[in-house]
Amino acid sequence: QQQVKQSPQSLIVQKGGISIINCAYENTAFDYFPWYQQFPGKGPALLIAIRPDVSEKKEGRFTISFNKSAKQFSLHIMDSQPGDSATYFCAARSSSGSARQLTFGSGTQLTVLP
Amino acid sequence: DADVTQTPRNRITKTGKRIMLECSQTKGHDRMYWYRQDPGLGLRLIYYSFDVKDINKGEISDGYSVSRQAQAKFSLSLESAIPNQTALYFCATSRNTGELFFGEGSRLTVL
Repeated sequence: QQQVKQSPQSLIVQKGGISIINCAYENTAFDYFPWYQQFPGKGPALLIAIRPDVSEKKEGRFTISFNKSAKQFSLHIMDSQPGDSATYFCAARSSSGSARQLTFGSGTQLTVLP
Repeated sequence: DADVTQTPRNRITKTGKRIMLECSQTKGHDRMYWYRQDPGLGLRLIYYSFDVKDINKGEISDGYSVSRQAQAKFSLSLESAIPNQTALYFCATSRNTGELFFGEGSRLTVL
């Protein structure tokens, strides 16, 4: 059972375009929603994160939009660049329980064409 | 040098063989994790450890075991490898359950 559903599985965008990756969750106990970026041959690295008390967080060209009532959050990459080509994972962490481990989405492979 | 180092980076083995993947870190973090990455399935937690005396099963621990030899070292073992354990394995560390710092991965192929 996948607790965090991510779409699309792959995305191709022209340079300068907007890349949008969506995630949905069911567990209302999730209280921390990070996005990780993974380049080929490397491990994932934290890109940006949001908590449910805000609806949007922006860092440079990367923005997380969060809709608590719909239990959805998305990553927007403005002015996408070929260097943004990577796999992106959304994740969520529960506020309850002793573990509080991250649950990851299935990943989106982004290709930005020059 | 990488803060989280995994060895080996690539390994091909046969069904039934015992395999150990090793992880060492210089970040000084207490918490260490082993994840498995499969296409279309994302990252799934195998085991995690909050300190040397603390070992916990993750989502997919069957067929795996771990050892936390020191604060900086966390190894993953496959006692009898099977083909569906072919995957990319990542070690990660954290100071808390927020940001994870991943190694560069160990690609395992079980024939």
